[in-house]
Amino acid sequence: AQSVTQPDIHITVSEGASLELRCNYSYGATPYLFWYVQSPGQGLQLLLKYFSGDTLVQGIKGFEAEFKRSQSSFNLRKPSVHWSDAAEYFCAVVSGKGSNYKLTFGKGTLLTVNP
Amino acid sequence: GAVVSQHPSWVICKSGTSVKIECRSLDFQATTMFWYRQFPKQSLMLMATSNEGSKATYEQGVEKDKFLINHASLTLSTLTVTSAHPEDSSFYICSARASAWETQYFGPGTRLLVL
Repeated sequence: AQSVTQPDIHITVSEGASLELRCNYSYGATPYLFWYVQSPGQGLQLLLKYFSGDTLVQGIKGFEAEFKRSQSSFNLRKPSVHWSDAAEYFCAVVSGKGSNYKLTFGKGTLLTVNP
Repeated sequence: GAVVSQHPSWVICKSGTSVKIECRSLDFQATTMFWYRQFPKQSLMLMATSNEGSKATYEQGVEKDKFLINHASLTLSTLTVTSAHPEDSSFYICSARASAWETQYFGPGTRLLVL
């Protein structure tokens, strides 16, 4: 079964520092991968997604992610973090087939940004 | 991106009562809607998937008689928590997509507190 692992439960960075959030997936074929962000008490907002093609994907809010098949990873990066980036970040992989596909989420990484 | 709304955003009810949560896709027709449950500091747990006009497909361990899902139109799905108990207190999030392989958009969530 498809699964997603986010090894870091909580990460703290200083404002202006670079950020990398790790995501590893388990999937037999080419995965469809997503990163979502959740602010406190809110729903999820899509940051970016990878379906195929260029393995470096650009998203909103200055985020990018790189798909590395050899490492089964889809890490999220941002060169300079802003205080407003403090939130919970979820990596997800599509599982299922055709119209029955659904998202399987990792457990999330909480990002704290220090001033 | 597309907008998904939920109503109410929060609800407090007495144990034994039923609570209905609405999920609407505001600017697209959602052939598939999903209902998730999220416990504090945890990931999203998929409860059920519903396709418009069909019965919902529930995930293993989710009581279909307790969590009634109706997807009567392409823009509206409802989740009814029947005979709610304190252990049903949680954050419920709906999600919708227009068709298979389309992006899934999430609602802002409904916080349920059962006293």
